[in-house]
Amino acid sequence: KQEVTQIPAALSVPEGENLVLNCSFTDSAIYNLQWFRQDPGKGLTSLLLIQSSQREQTSGRLNASLDKSSGRSTLYIAASQPGDSATYLCAVREAGGFKTIFGAGTRLFVKA
Amino acid sequence: EAEVAQSPRYKITEKSQAVAFWCDPISGHATLYWYRQILGQGPELLVQFQDESVVDDSQLPKDRFSAERLKGVDSTLKIQPAELGDSAMYLCASRDLGIQYFGAGTRLSVL
Repeated sequence: KQEVTQIPAALSVPEGENLVLNCSFTDSAIYNLQWFRQDPGKGLTSLLLIQSSQREQTSGRLNASLDKSSGRSTLYIAASQPGDSATYLCAVREAGGFKTIFGAGTRLFVKA
Repeated sequence: EAEVAQSPRYKITEKSQAVAFWCDPISGHATLYWYRQILGQGPELLVQFQDESVVDDSQLPKDRFSAERLKGVDSTLKIQPAELGDSAMYLCASRDLGIQYFGAGTRLSVL
């Protein structure tokens, strides 16, 4: 059964710092992996989608990498800003059944 | 910009009552999902539709939950009777080109 784990559960950093959020999954048979942002009490906003054949995707200050064989993905945020404060979730879409499994998220707080 | 619409945003009900949530996906999106998110956890899939057909409802507690998407457009999720443990955020999403787009969710509180 696919399990998705995100470490750390919470992170507090000063503004301007570069940071890395980690996501690991137990079954490498995935279709794609998606990173989301969730503000308190709100829905999820898609940040980056990485297909299983890809190694990384970039959007602005965000870069996501995927190492399918080791079951890991990282989200790199450059030059963090207070507006980046939110919960970041990764979601794995399984190959075959196409079910999407979410991690519990990393709650990020960027201090001004 | 097109959005997934959900209503109501908040719902407070007493246990044993019936509740219903509505979702209107982005126009043209054939795949629609209902998720439940408990505070501090990631969303958990309840049901997935492809057009009007249910593709996956293995995690849906079918003794009390039902979902429909009659014309393959908007969808309704119903709980009857509601239990205290159903208190959560209920999220709807639709998918296009692999990307899932989420609505703002309905926060349900069962008293």
